[in-house]
Amino acid sequence: AQKITQTQPGMFVQEKEAVTLDCTYDTSDQSYGLFWYKQPSSGEMIFLIYQGSYDEQNATEGRYSLNFQKARKSANLVISASQLGDSAMYFCAMRDLDSSYKLIFGSGTRLLVRP
Amino acid sequence: KAGVTQTPRYLIKTRGQQVTLSCSPISGHRSVSWYQQTPGQGLQFLFEYFSETQRNKGNFPGRFSGRQFSNSRSEMNVSTLELGDSALYLCASSLNGGNYGYTFGSGTRLTVV
Repeated sequence: AQKITQTQPGMFVQEKEAVTLDCTYDTSDQSYGLFWYKQPSSGEMIFLIYQGSYDEQNATEGRYSLNFQKARKSANLVISASQLGDSAMYFCAMRDLDSSYKLIFGSGTRLLVRP
Repeated sequence: KAGVTQTPRYLIKTRGQQVTLSCSPISGHRSVSWYQQTPGQGLQFLFEYFSETQRNKGNFPGRFSGRQFSNSRSEMNVSTLELGDSALYLCASSLNGGNYGYTFGSGTRLTVV
């Protein structure tokens, strides 16, 4: 069965510094996708970045990058130059691309950016 | 372009009642998924529809049901509400299962009293 583990319930980061949010996954599938979402207090889930299991390069989207280590089954999110608006819950998620249309989510990490 | 629209935003219902939540996907998106978010269980998949057909269903009792219309709008229904059904219900749309990202709505916060 697929599983996503986020071991950091909460984290602090100083404004303008970089922060890494950890995500490990477990799956027996060969073809899968990994996602990161941000959830502000308003509740909406905002898509940040995607990494496919066959992608050789780490994904990047602006200040977000995904540190994908396939052998270790980790997909950590790196946020560079943190901003106050980055304070939110962050969820790592996975989907089996061949046989399922559902996302499996981790428990999330609450990030607080200090001014 | 307009995002995913969920209505209503907030809802208070009494135990035993039923409720219907609505989701309008992004124009052109044919896949709609529903998720339940609670503090205890986190985010859990309810079901996914594509072109009016349910393709995946999560581990929820039969009281939870859904459907999708020909214009891709989707509804989910919960009958015989229980206190434990209090949650944020999120809808997500994608072109076809979302290999590159699902777009979520702002959710419907359901409180059962």
